[in-house]
Amino acid sequence: DQQVKQNSPSLSVQEGRISILNCDYTNSMFDYFLWYKKYPAEGPTFLISISSIKDKNEDGRFTVFLNKSAKHLSLHIVPSQPGDSAVYFCAAWDKGQLTFGSGTQLTVLP
Amino acid sequence: DVKVTQSSRYLVKRTGEKVFLECVQDMDHENMFWYRQDPGLGLRLIYFSYDVKMKEKGDIPEGYSVSREKKERFSLILESASTNQTSMYLCASRLRGTQPQHFGDGTRLSIL
Repeated sequence: DQQVKQNSPSLSVQEGRISILNCDYTNSMFDYFLWYKKYPAEGPTFLISISSIKDKNEDGRFTVFLNKSAKHLSLHIVPSQPGDSAVYFCAAWDKGQLTFGSGTQLTVLP
Repeated sequence: DVKVTQSSRYLVKRTGEKVFLECVQDMDHENMFWYRQDPGLGLRLIYFSYDVKMKEKGDIPEGYSVSREKKERFSLILESASTNQTSMYLCASRLRGTQPQHFGDGTRLSIL
């Protein structure tokens, strides 16, 4: 049973608009969350993280929101750019291990 | 900048062969990891190592083993390759704790 779920396999957004990628989790012991971005033929690269004691973390165009009561986090990209087109993985931390979601393919249309 | 290098980008092997995937990191990281990535399943942890000569099973260790004789190198071994081990294999390293993991570019392994 997947403990970290990304229910949208793909998302298309117009350039300049907001992209919202969602992630749900079931394990209440997760205490740290990360987002990774992956281009084809490359390894994932770290994007942004959030501790469970916070509900928001911002880094430039990227903001991650955490709703612990709903066990839900989201990544907002504003404004979206064509170079943001990639697969985005959310990941959750517990006992020294990261558990990844299945990923969402974001396509930003020019 | 952290560099995680996987020895092969593409590899084709036959069923029953013993396969070695090598990973080297250059930042003196304590922790190293092996994942496989399959469509619709995301990244699944095979094995990880907190330090030299230490190893821990991840979520899907069956059919695999690992070796960490030196801090910078973490090897994944397929003892007797099978077709269901055809996948993208990703190595990662991390300094320690909740520091983000840094990934290599992956090895696409095909078992025929």
